Amino acid sequence: DVKVTQSSRYLVKRTGEKVFLECVQDMDHENMFWYRQDPGLGLRLIYFSYDVKMKEKGDIPEGYSVSREKKERFSLILESASTNQTSMYLCASVGRAGGSNQPQHFGDGTRLSIL
Amino acid sequence: RKEVEQDPGPFNVPEGATVAFNCTYSNSASQSFFWYRQDCRKEPKLLMSVYSSGNEDGRFTAQLNRASQYISLLIRDSKLSDSATYLCAPGFQKLVFGTGTRLLVSP
Repeated sequence: DVKVTQSSRYLVKRTGEKVFLECVQDMDHENMFWYRQDPGLGLRLIYFSYDVKMKEKGDIPEGYSVSREKKERFSLILESASTNQTSMYLCASVGRAGGSNQPQHFGDGTRLSIL
Repeated sequence: RKEVEQDPGPFNVPEGATVAFNCTYSNSASQSFFWYRQDCRKEPKLLMSVYSSGNEDGRFTAQLNRASQYISLLIRDSKLSDSATYLCAPGFQKLVFGTGTRLLVSP
């Protein structure tokens, strides 16, 4: 079974802090994704990575950056947290074999609150 | 037009009922299609893939209509445990998720 692990289930931070959300997968997947999910807006793609040190902007990258130094780990960084970044953050991964024909597997999610 | 559209619901049905959800997508290049189930405050979990010929998994049947660009999910003999939000996810190179349809199954 694919295991995608996010470092925290719940996180509370203050406005202006630099926040790191970590995601690790154990299936040697090439592709990894960061989404945020808000009521009524569904899952929105922030960034994705299709290989080590590679990254692509998703639909809402503003205010975020990412890091992929190792294949199994994909980090989301909030450079200066703001209250409108309070949300549920979900990491997902999928292997390249079959590319877009394979489903993504999600981590448990991190509920981030910015005060 | 949104890339992926789903009726948000909620669909309120009694146990044992049959319920169907539709999902329309705008990208005609989409090649992969999935249904996910998401319980309250949990992550989405893959329910089933959707193949061109349609496919069935127990009480669940998924259909794809490429000409009209929609996918459907049929749930037969609804159980209380089916109560959840169902997300459709078509994609080409990367998946695009619908906002989900909420299903409430009551005794």
